[in-house]
Amino acid sequence: RKEVEQDPGPFNVPEGATVAFNCTYSNSASQSFFWYRQDCRKEPKLLMSVYSSGNEDGRFTAQLNRASQYISLLIRDSKLSDSATYLCVVSLGNTGKLIFGQGTTLQVKP
Amino acid sequence: SAVISQKPSRDICQRGTSLTIQCQVDSQVTMMFWYRQQPGQSLTLIATANQGSEATYESGFVIDKFPISRPNLTFSTLTVSNMSPEDSSIYLCSVEVLGSGANVLTFGAGSRLTVL
Repeated sequence: RKEVEQDPGPFNVPEGATVAFNCTYSNSASQSFFWYRQDCRKEPKLLMSVYSSGNEDGRFTAQLNRASQYISLLIRDSKLSDSATYLCVVSLGNTGKLIFGQGTTLQVKP
Repeated sequence: SAVISQKPSRDICQRGTSLTIQCQVDSQVTMMFWYRQQPGQSLTLIATANQGSEATYESGFVIDKFPISRPNLTFSTLTVSNMSPEDSSIYLCSVEVLGSGANVLTFGAGSRLTVL
């Protein structure tokens, strides 16, 4: 089993749609959780950290369920510029080591 | 956050040769990380480069194949030795972003390596 699993997609949605990505992780000692965004042929960039209470940043909402070892990202009112690959990232304990999921590709169409 | 410059941005190399990738950060950082992203795959940590000590390698990566230097707090190099086509990948340097919470990383633009 992969340490961090994501549905690779691609997710093809129209502009304005709401789309949700899910991610599961296997190590219960994981302490920090993130969503990164990677545009085609570019480096990954932090989209948002994920907190136990859930957090929102504009159109983006992240949720964490430690009991189920599950992380989600919700994007509302999708824009063309949201088209990218979204990487679920988990840190292992206090090692500082980050484990990246394979990414979920989103394509927003006009 | 820190600004990272990586070079070369891309290169095409012959089998059996070696390539050294440079990573320069605009501020002093304790740890620098080298990742690999193979075609269609996600990122895998190769090693953590600490100033003044040997790099710490992840399972599946060895110093003879991926020697790393860390001469000071703003610079590191990763060498891909005796390359084969399987080494074709993007190699990314990263550092922790201070003040943004533990483990948040910023990445260089990456070095895209093609081995013929």
